[in-house]
Amino acid sequence: DVKVTQSSRYLVKRTGEKVFLECVQDMDHENMFWYRQDPGLGLRLIYFSYDVKMKEKGDIPEGYSVSREKKERFSLILESASTNQTSMYLCASSPSGALAYEQYFGPGTRLTVT
Amino acid sequence: AQTVTQSQPEMSVQEAETVTLSCTYDTSESDYYLFWYKQPPSRQMILVIRQEAYKQQNATENRFSVNFQKAAKSFSLKISDSQLGDAAMYFCAYRMNRDDKIIFGKGTRLHILP
Repeated sequence: DVKVTQSSRYLVKRTGEKVFLECVQDMDHENMFWYRQDPGLGLRLIYFSYDVKMKEKGDIPEGYSVSREKKERFSLILESASTNQTSMYLCASSPSGALAYEQYFGPGTRLTVT
Repeated sequence: AQTVTQSQPEMSVQEAETVTLSCTYDTSESDYYLFWYKQPPSRQMILVIRQEAYKQQNATENRFSVNFQKAAKSFSLKISDSQLGDAAMYFCAYRMNRDDKIIFGKGTRLHILP
């Protein structure tokens, strides 16, 4: 079974703090994704990585950066957290190319910025 | 740009009854995939069913089936014999074959009434 884990289920941070959200997958997938989920807005892609050290901006990259130093790990970084970044963050992974017909999701991190 | 629209933010169905969730999408591509994902309360998102656009036959997975109308760009999910465990947020999603990213709709929250 594919397993995608996220470092925290719940996180509370203060405005201006630097926040790291970690995601690890155990299936040797090339692709990893960070989404933000908000009520009424669905899932919106923040960043996508298709290989180690390779990344691509998604639909809402502003205020976020990412790091992928190892294939199994994809980090989302909030350089200076703001209250409008309070949200549920979902990580996902998938194989690439013709096998990329399913993304596997982590349990999510509910981040509250106060 | 590709878009996915779910016009029903919430739906309710009596246990053991049948319910249909609607989804429309917009694309100029001819080769793509469509998906329904399920996100139970406080649990991980999982893939329910997948449809390849080149296949005319509608996909089925046990009690879950789709009605894929390619010309109308419609992709509805039918759940037969609804069970309490079907209560979840359901996301319709689209991926064109030449891209590994998935575009999600805003979701439909399904309530199962005992």
